[in-house]
Amino acid sequence: DAGITQSPRHKVTETGTPVTLRCHQTENHRYMYWYRQDPGHGLRLIHYSYGVKDTDKGEVSDGYSVSRSKTEDFLLTLESATSSQTSVYFCAISESQAKGGEQYFGPGTRLTVT
Amino acid sequence: SQQGEEDPQALSIQEGENATMNCSYKTSINNLQWYRQNSGRGLVHLILIRSNEREKHSGRLRVTLDTSKKSSSLLITASRAADTASYFCATVSNFGNEKLTFGTGTRLTIIP
Repeated sequence: DAGITQSPRHKVTETGTPVTLRCHQTENHRYMYWYRQDPGHGLRLIHYSYGVKDTDKGEVSDGYSVSRSKTEDFLLTLESATSSQTSVYFCAISESQAKGGEQYFGPGTRLTVT
Repeated sequence: SQQGEEDPQALSIQEGENATMNCSYKTSINNLQWYRQNSGRGLVHLILIRSNEREKHSGRLRVTLDTSKKSSSLLITASRAADTASYFCATVSNFGNEKLTFGTGTRLTIIP
């Protein structure tokens, strides 16, 4: 999977608790992304990063924050998890559009908020 | 909101037949990409076609792009059971950012 790992792979948590998902890459790609995938919605972008400490919001960023202190790590935090955040979360990486633009995806994290 | 919309939402065909999936999008694009997702796995990039290209081939895959109609099609020839998966189109806009906007996908089932 192009040197991308996600942890944890599965997590069950209770409403109101904080949750942090980690994405780690070994490809030294500049761009990193967090998506969520829900039935009927395809993949929706939550946040993305275009460099260390450089992040921006995506389509469904409410309730989520991110941090990128190193090139290889991109963290997604749910400050206070809600049942609507039950989903499968995917991390992806890419170089840039000028170099191809394709994204490489991690294996996903299945998060259940009870 | 979704940029790309795939059609059909689900498709079942016999092994050996060709499978065609369509994608429509709304805004001006830099490129359009197709991805495959096997059940329970992450997405895998299949092919990228730029806005100035009309057709592209990769193995058994053929992608066309019609920017005047804002649509693309993915053809898989001589389908195999291993092609069973969901297929997504994704677009990169012309506005200088690196973000992909995904469609809702087509679920393809190949019947042996």
